Amino acid sequence: DAGVIQSPRHEVTEMGQEVTLRCKPISGHDYLFWYRQTMMRGLELLIYFNNNVPIDDSGMPEDRFSAKMPNASFSTLKIQPSEPRDSAVYFCASSFLDRRELFFGEGSRLTVL
Amino acid sequence: AQSVSQHNHHVILSEAASLELGCNYSYGGTVNLFWYVQYPGQHLQLLLKYFSGDPLVKGIKGFEAEFIKSKFSFNLRKPSVQWSDTAEYFCAAFIAGSNYKLTFGKGTLLTVNP
Repeated sequence: DAGVIQSPRHEVTEMGQEVTLRCKPISGHDYLFWYRQTMMRGLELLIYFNNNVPIDDSGMPEDRFSAKMPNASFSTLKIQPSEPRDSAVYFCASSFLDRRELFFGEGSRLTVL
Repeated sequence: AQSVSQHNHHVILSEAASLELGCNYSYGGTVNLFWYVQYPGQHLQLLLKYFSGDPLVKGIKGFEAEFIKSKFSFNLRKPSVQWSDTAEYFCAAFIAGSNYKLTFGKGTLLTVNP
C-alpha cells in the first residue's frame, strides 16, 4: 500500500514567490496533518484536518500560510508571499480513527532565497 | 502548555554500546507516548508507542522504552546499537483532551561509529 505522498520533494524559490506543497494521504485515513521542521523549533504542527475539514489551524504562523483539503485524497499548503524564514522541511502525515499514530510523508524541503 | 523535552541534542556511540535517550513530558493526566525515528533523508517512522498497560514497551529493531509515570518519563533504550541506527529520534506525546496536539520533542541525533 502506498504511503503518504508529498510533492515536490525539494523546492527552491525566491522571496515573494508563491509556494504550493501537495500531499496525498493514505487511502482511508480520515486525519491529515501538516508539520514544519526546522533546526531551531523542531517539529511544529501547523494545521490538521478531519474528514477534509480544518480542525485546528492555530499553528499556522501567519496569514501568508493557507491550507486546503478539497477531498479525502488531496491537500495543499500554500505560502504567499514566501520569505526566507519559511525555509524548512514541511511534512504531511495522515492517520486513521485511532488518531494517535501518524504516518508521515517524506517531506518537502523548501528553500526561500 | 504541554511540552516534550529530549535532554540530548546529539549522542555519539560506538557500535555495540548501549543506548538510552531521555524524554520527559509535562502533563499530569492521561498521555499516549511515542518514539519516532528519522533516518537520513527519510520520513519519520514509528518505533514504538505506549497507550496503557505494561509500561515496558518493545518496538521494532530491538528498541524498547519504559514509561515511568512518577518521573513523567519515556526513555528509549537499546542494549547494543548498530551503525544502521544512526538517525534522529523524536519523542512525542498525545495529551488526552488536547484537541489532537501530538507534541514532539526537538529530537536527538544519534551517530553510531563503526
